[in-house]
Amino acid sequence: AQTVTQSQPEMSVQEAETVTLSCTYDTSESNYYLFWYKQPPSRQMILVIRQEAYKQQNATENRFSVNFQKAAKSFSLKISDSQLGDTAMYFCAFMNGGSQGNLIFGKGTKLSVKP
Amino acid sequence: DSGVTQTPKHLITATGQRVTLRCSPRSGDLSVYWYQQSLDQGLQFLIQYYNGEERAKGNILERFSAQQFPDLHSELNLSSLELGDSALYFCASSVGKDFNYGYTFGSGTRLTVV
Repeated sequence: AQTVTQSQPEMSVQEAETVTLSCTYDTSESNYYLFWYKQPPSRQMILVIRQEAYKQQNATENRFSVNFQKAAKSFSLKISDSQLGDTAMYFCAFMNGGSQGNLIFGKGTKLSVKP
Repeated sequence: DSGVTQTPKHLITATGQRVTLRCSPRSGDLSVYWYQQSLDQGLQFLIQYYNGEERAKGNILERFSAQQFPDLHSELNLSSLELGDSALYFCASSVGKDFNYGYTFGSGTRLTVV
């Protein structure tokens, strides 16, 4: 069974600085997708970024980028120029390419951006 | 507003009772997913429906059931409620059967069992 591990329960960063959130996963599949979701205090789950396992190029969305290391089964999220609105829980998630589409989530990392 | 509507937003009920959570997917989306978020178990997949039919089942208890209606809205029924069922229940929707672009979540229903 696939598992997703986020080893940092909590992190903090100063506004305008850069922070990296870690995620590792375990799978024997070759076709899969990885996601980072953000859950602010409003509870809404918001998709931040998505990576296809067969693509070597790391995904980027504005200030958010990933470092995808397929051999190491690592999928970290880098947030540049951190903003107060980035304060949230961040969840790493895995989706098997051959599955019906259900996501397997890590336990999350609580990120606090300090002014 | 994500386009996925969940009602009610909050629900408080007693142990042993039965409740129904409702989800209206985003317009045009055929798949509905239910997730449970609790402090001890984290986010767990419960069940998926596609165009009215059950497509995948996760860690859903036998006391829980769901269905998707012809108008594509879905209901999650929780019965014989226990204190441990207190959680945030999310619904999400996507266009296809296994949409790997990541689907859209609703804002959740907070269930408190007392």
